[in-house]
Amino acid sequence: NAGVTQTPKFQVLKTGQSMTLQCAQDMNHNSMYWYRQDPGMGLRLIYYSASEGTTDKGEVPNGYNVSRLNKREFSLRLESAAPSQTSVYFCASSVPGLASYTGELFFGEGSRLTVL
Amino acid sequence: SQQGEEDPQALSIQEGENATMNCSYKTSINNLQWYRQNSGRGLVHLILIRSNEREKHSGRLRVTLDTSKKSSSLLITASRAADTASYFCATDARTNAGKSTFGDGTTLTVKP
Repeated sequence: NAGVTQTPKFQVLKTGQSMTLQCAQDMNHNSMYWYRQDPGMGLRLIYYSASEGTTDKGEVPNGYNVSRLNKREFSLRLESAAPSQTSVYFCASSVPGLASYTGELFFGEGSRLTVL
Repeated sequence: SQQGEEDPQALSIQEGENATMNCSYKTSINNLQWYRQNSGRGLVHLILIRSNEREKHSGRLRVTLDTSKKSSSLLITASRAADTASYFCATDARTNAGKSTFGDGTTLTVKP
């Protein structure tokens, strides 16, 4: 049981390049999330998906797009990377398929992105 | 903006001592959760407390919630070196349900 798997674990980009972070969960969870964590800080929500086929903006969505490909997979795309997007990105999933509350979040190990 | 704020930012104790960290938040919540993050790793869920609950226990962890003061505390008893980590509270606000927001965390160091 792998839980939440993120790829890649590390990535270095140049300003203006694009890339997609992949996330997959094997726990049959309905909700999936993308967070970013800057040094010494907590997590800030970028986007989330309460269920397959739905996505919603979080606190810091600018510069990102997401795709809920199916129930298992939720990808995060940076169309034109900027140095301000240098961060550690975490994908998470949880059971509830409702936008009414958050259940226990299960996190991946993170993707460390550096934009030069 | 961060809904939850942890206090203190950093805490250093000796093994065997108790560690208490606090979380304050601004708006009414559905639930509040505590997570642990070891250096360079993802977050691990510790405990969830609902808005109608006042206290929960899990092993050496005790969480309290005071909705009138909009605050929660996490107590780790008989701490161990392995408890060294950052601890975060996450709040699920009623006006923003389904989107847990995290504080900046408390960094706990337990010295052997």
